[in-house]
Amino acid sequence: EVQLVESGGGLVQPGGSLRLSCAASGFTLKNYWMNWVRQAPGKGLEWVANIKQDGSEKYYVDSVKGRFTISRDNAKNSLYLQMNSLRGEDTAIYYCASGATGPPPGSWGFSYWGQGTLVTVSS
Amino acid sequence: QSGLTQPPSASGTPGQSVTISCSGSSSNIGSNDVYWYQHLPGTAPKFFIYRNTQRPSGVPDRFSGSKSGTSASLAISGLRAEDEADYYCATWDDSLSGWVFGGGTKLTVL
Repeated sequence: EVQLVESGGGLVQPGGSLRLSCAASGFTLKNYWMNWVRQAPGKGLEWVANIKQDGSEKYYVDSVKGRFTISRDNAKNSLYLQMNSLRGEDTAIYYCASGATGPPPGSWGFSYWGQGTLVTVSS
Repeated sequence: QSGLTQPPSASGTPGQSVTISCSGSSSNIGSNDVYWYQHLPGTAPKFFIYRNTQRPSGVPDRFSGSKSGTSASLAISGLRAEDEADYYCATWDDSLSGWVFGGGTKLTVL
C-alpha cells in the first residue's frame, strides 16, 4: 500500500522558518516528480512546488519563489520543503503528492497524496 | 498566478445529473490534459479523473470528464449522497511553468 506521510508542521512566528518532510512507503519515490500542494483555511487547493526525479529541475508558484526550497533524498525515499521568511498567508495544510514518472512535469497529475501537515504562521 | 475558473457551488437531488465546469486559457487547458480531484474535508484529495476523460479504478462510471478547447467539465449522473464533496480541476500551465487549480466547486446533494 502506498503511503505518503508528512511531518514538520506547527506554529511559527512571521519571518520564521520551518522544514516539512514527506516519507514514502510502498512507493519508489525516485521514479516520480514530486509536489507540494497546500490548502489555506477556507480556501481551495494551491500547488506550491515540484521537483524532478533527480532533483535537476524545480518549479515554484510565484508567491513562494525565493522563500521556499523543495528538495528530495531518493535514498531515504523522502521529500522536503524548506520554508523561510514565513508569512501569515502561508498558513495552510501542506500535502505532498506524487506526479509524473517521466518528462514533462505536466504529463501526469497527482496520483498519491499524503494526509497533510498543518503550518500556522502567527505571532 | 492565475488559476482556472470553476463555479463555487453546484447542487442536485439524488438521481439527478450535475455538471461542473472548469475554464482556462490557451496556455493551460488549451495545451495540456485536465485532472479532477475529489476532496472531503479532513482527508487527502483523491485522484478522480485523469487525462481529461479517464477514470482511475474505483471511481464510479457515473462520473465522466470532458474537454473542449480551453474548457473542461466533470459530469455526474445518478447523484448520490456520498458524492457530496469539493471538486477541483487542475492542469499544467506552460506560461507559468507550474500547476494551476480551479477554485473548487462544493457539490451539495439536496
